Amino acid sequence: AQSVTQPDIHITVSEGASLELRCNYSYGATPYLFWYVQSPGQGLQLLLKYFSGDTLVQGIKGFEAEFKRSQSSFNLRKPSVHWSDAAEYFCAVVGSNYKLTFGKGTLLTVNP
Amino acid sequence: EPEVTQTPSHQVTQMGQEVILRCVPISNHLYFYWYRQILGQKVEFLVSFYNNEISEKSEIFDDQFSVERPDGSNFTLKIRSTKLEDSAMYFCATSWREDSPLHFGNGTRLTVT
Repeated sequence: AQSVTQPDIHITVSEGASLELRCNYSYGATPYLFWYVQSPGQGLQLLLKYFSGDTLVQGIKGFEAEFKRSQSSFNLRKPSVHWSDAAEYFCAVVGSNYKLTFGKGTLLTVNP
Repeated sequence: EPEVTQTPSHQVTQMGQEVILRCVPISNHLYFYWYRQILGQKVEFLVSFYNNEISEKSEIFDDQFSVERPDGSNFTLKIRSTKLEDSAMYFCATSWREDSPLHFGNGTRLTVT
């Protein structure tokens, strides 16, 4: 069965700084990978997805993620963080059963 | 952009009572899911639903839970006799194909007292 690990429970960055949120997955074949963001009191919004092809994928709000098969990773990056990016970020993988398996999430705090 | 709508946004109920959580999927979506997020924990899969039947369910989805599409538009999750540990955020998600990204609603916060 597939699984997702997000090693960082909480990350704090200053506004304008770069950001990288880590995600490692476990799945035997080529996975479908996603990053979702959850703002307080809100639902889950899709940031970006990887199905196949170019391993560097662009998403909304200036985010990007890179699929690295050799490291079983799909880290999320943003070159310059804005205060409105403060939220919880979830990495997720879809395996052969088309069911999403989520990581535990990384809470991002942005300092002014 | 079309979105998944969930009602109510917050439901408070007493232990042992039945609750029904409602979801209106995006109109051309065919695959429906319920996920749950207990406070401070990760989002967990509950059940998937396609062609008017359950495709898959997790071990969380026991006999106290049921899903249906009563009128072809709403997609509901019923908990027959709520327990304290059912307190969580419940998310409905839909997709138009089995392998396309899920679109999530804003969730229903269920509080069981």
